[in-house]
Amino acid sequence: EDQVTQSPEALRLQEGESSSLNCSYTVSGLRGLFWYRQDPGKGPEFLFTLYSAGEEKEKERLKATLTKKESFLHITAPKPEDSATYLCAVQGSGGSNYKLTFGKGTLLTVNP
Amino acid sequence: DTGVSQDPRHKITKRGQNVTFRCDPISEHNRLYWYRQTLGQGPEFLTYFQNEAQLEKSRLLSDRFSAERPKGSFSTLEIQRTEQGDSAMYLCASSSSSANYGYTFGSGTRLTVV
Repeated sequence: EDQVTQSPEALRLQEGESSSLNCSYTVSGLRGLFWYRQDPGKGPEFLFTLYSAGEEKEKERLKATLTKKESFLHITAPKPEDSATYLCAVQGSGGSNYKLTFGKGTLLTVNP
Repeated sequence: DTGVSQDPRHKITKRGQNVTFRCDPISEHNRLYWYRQTLGQGPEFLTYFQNEAQLEKSRLLSDRFSAERPKGSFSTLEIQRTEQGDSAMYLCASSSSSANYGYTFGSGTRLTVV
């Protein structure tokens, strides 16, 4: 069974203080690893898909990286508007290869 | 196309009542999913449709839950005889089988059973 563990559960940063979120996973053949952002009371918003170890993707202040066992979401010089829950999910190549398995998320708070 | 739409956004119901939620996916997406999310948890898979066929149901979906996708367009999720444990955010998502770039989620329906 696919599993995703995210750490830390919660992270408080000052504006401009860079940091990283971790996503550790076990999956039977990785088809894709996904990062989503979720604001309170809303559905997850797609950020990135990573497909193979060594791959990196960037969007504004966010950069996602992938190894064979974990992914990191690096946040550079965050702003208060980056405050949200960040969810990591994996899609395996087993029988249910369309299903995403999510972690519990990291609640990021950026103080001005 | 404005994305995945879910209706209603919020629903408060008394225990024992039946509720139905609707999801309108992105029009060119042939795959549709329902997930459930409780406070402090990530979304959990409930069921999956490819076109009008329901191809998988999670063991989380008891006999009180039923989902349909007539004609492969919109989908409905019905919960019969609601229980307090059914209180959660119900998320719908859609994707295309021709591209593996993840799902597009709707804003969800927040169900509160009192």
